[in-house]
Amino acid sequence: DVKVTQSSRYLVKRTGEKVFLECVQDMDHENMFWYRQDPGLGLRLIYFSYDVKMKEKGDIPEGYSVSREKKERFSLILESASTNQTSMYLCASSAILDMNTEAFFGQGTRLTVV
Amino acid sequence: AQSVAQPEDQVNVAEGNPLTVKCTYSVSGNPYLFWYVQYPNRGLQFLLKYITGDNLVKGSYGFEAEFNKSQTSFHLKKPSALVSDSALYFCAVRDGDRDDKIIFGKGTRLHILP
Repeated sequence: DVKVTQSSRYLVKRTGEKVFLECVQDMDHENMFWYRQDPGLGLRLIYFSYDVKMKEKGDIPEGYSVSREKKERFSLILESASTNQTSMYLCASSAILDMNTEAFFGQGTRLTVV
Repeated sequence: AQSVAQPEDQVNVAEGNPLTVKCTYSVSGNPYLFWYVQYPNRGLQFLLKYITGDNLVKGSYGFEAEFNKSQTSFHLKKPSALVSDSALYFCAVRDGDRDDKIIFGKGTRLHILP
């Protein structure tokens, strides 16, 4: 089975802290994604990466950065956490277009910034 | 840029009745379309996809979806609803002509009434 693993299910951080959310996939997928999920807003794309060291901004990149040093790992970084970044964060991975194209998701990290 | 609209925030259906969850999309290239389901405190689970071929796609748990190019729709359907189908459903689109991001709708909460 495809597995996408997020390092934490629940996190509580203080305003101004630097926060790292880690995601690892075991399917050798080229593409990886970070979304945040908020009630009534659905899933909004923060960043995605289509290769090691490559990244593209999604729809809401402000306040976030990402790192992809290895193919299997994609990290989301909150440089200085704020209360409006309290949310559910979902990581996903997918293969390139000429293979299975659906995205596989991790279990999510519920982040609370206090 | 691609986009997805799910016009209904919530759909209520009596158990045993047919259900439909609506989705319309916009994409410049060939549409790759997906449906996902999310149960409480869980990540998203893939249900089915349309890439090419038959307009009626069958997926997991008895769900199916109909691709309609002229109406740019990809509605999710099931002939007979179960209480266990109650969950949050997301439609998503990917541009089939470029290896790019996957965009999700805002989600539709499905309530199956016993």
